[in-house]
Amino acid sequence: DAGVTQSPTHLIKTRGQQVTLRCSPISGHKSVSWYQQVLGQGPQFIFQYYEKEERGRGNFPDRFSARQFPNYSSELNVNALLLGDSALYLCASSKQGSPFYEQYFGPGTRLTVT
Amino acid sequence: GNSVTQMEGPVTLSEEAFLTINCTYTATGYPSLFWYVQYPGEGLQLLLKATKADDKGSNKGFEATYRKETTSFHLEKGSVQVSDSAVYFCAIPHAGGTSYGKLTFGQGTILTVHP
Repeated sequence: DAGVTQSPTHLIKTRGQQVTLRCSPISGHKSVSWYQQVLGQGPQFIFQYYEKEERGRGNFPDRFSARQFPNYSSELNVNALLLGDSALYLCASSKQGSPFYEQYFGPGTRLTVT
Repeated sequence: GNSVTQMEGPVTLSEEAFLTINCTYTATGYPSLFWYVQYPGEGLQLLLKATKADDKGSNKGFEATYRKETTSFHLEKGSVQVSDSAVYFCAIPHAGGTSYGKLTFGQGTILTVHP
């Protein structure tokens, strides 16, 4: 079975621009979460979606938004990009919305803001 | 909220050496506990998990036991290989409030294994 897929792999944007990152979960998984990983640190939670509804939100500004589609894929949008948004953005999927189920991560999208 | 504290690294070992990476947690209730591994240039892979006290997770020669009395979930491997060189993260989930579904990760421990 295919794992979690993310696109694009790499992205370079300029300050002030907007970006959209995409994620397709493992088949049969209904929950998608987004994380930001700055170089040298552990991933930081941004959002969780389950059955197209936002279930959890981390401590990120309103410039960050996301949605989940009927096929359970998801998009993460970041507006008004700042240099500090440069990071690896990870998507994770799990079978259920419960946090007690393991989450499976994709390879990530490397975003560079110049 | 739930949190994990992971031993600082980096850790450098010779091949076939014994590995321990310490992780302690604070939590409400008894959540599942996870170890993830991140190889260079890749995303995170679930290495092992434990769902209740005294439960032992194991995978690829790695083991970790969920110890309620010491609030610990230390990762161990009896004989490391060069291919185990990676960053290891301890993680704990949240079940309440606006952080529902969140995994909180430790700061990560860089492991380098030399031949």
